[in-house]
Amino acid sequence: EVQLVESGGGLVQPGGSLRLTCAASGFIFDRYVMHWVRQETGKGLEWVSSITTAGERYYADSVKGRFTISRENAKNSLYLHMNTLRAGDTAIYYCARDFGSAYLDFWGQGTLVSVSS
Amino acid sequence: DIQMTQSPSSVSASVGDRVTIACRASQYISTWLVWYQQKAGRAPKLLIYAASSLQSGVPSRFSGSGSGTDFTLTISRLQAEDFATYYCQQGHSFPFTFGPGTKVDLK
Repeated sequence: EVQLVESGGGLVQPGGSLRLTCAASGFIFDRYVMHWVRQETGKGLEWVSSITTAGERYYADSVKGRFTISRENAKNSLYLHMNTLRAGDTAIYYCARDFGSAYLDFWGQGTLVSVSS
Repeated sequence: DIQMTQSPSSVSASVGDRVTIACRASQYISTWLVWYQQKAGRAPKLLIYAASSLQSGVPSRFSGSGSGTDFTLTISRLQAEDFATYYCQQGHSFPFTFGPGTKVDLK
């Protein structure tokens, strides 16, 4: 069974940092592109970042230069390093598996990041 | 960036109704289009990919159509479990973008 479990969210002050982790199981992790998508409470979905099987990284303009996506295939884990956090980064962050052409077939349950003083 | 729009933003319907949701891309995306369903407090669920391919396990009352810039999600006979918010998303190019969502609620 495919499972994605996010962790690492929490309350952080503006300007602070967090590292999110997505633990994957039930599939061959290193064969898939992976994504982070976020959602503010009551709002729509926003793509944040992607990492390919070759390690190529892509970012939304809103997070470029502040967030870093990475993966550790030996640990079946996806990460999102978030620096210089702003109030506008407050959201639920989901990791998702891409089975081809940004078709996200499995999603984690999400982890809440709150940026507030 | 490719902008995605959806209409209507909300629709009130009854069980058994046929519901159609439109999605438009600001530029040509061929059939690189996905539809998701999201229920309150839950992660999105993939319904349709490549504009018209039904994801495994999704009921056949869901269907997708379109290509280029205009796409449609149809629920042929709405069931109680279909009340949710539906999003389209383009997979043509980075940054991947989602539509604003269409909420389907009970009339």
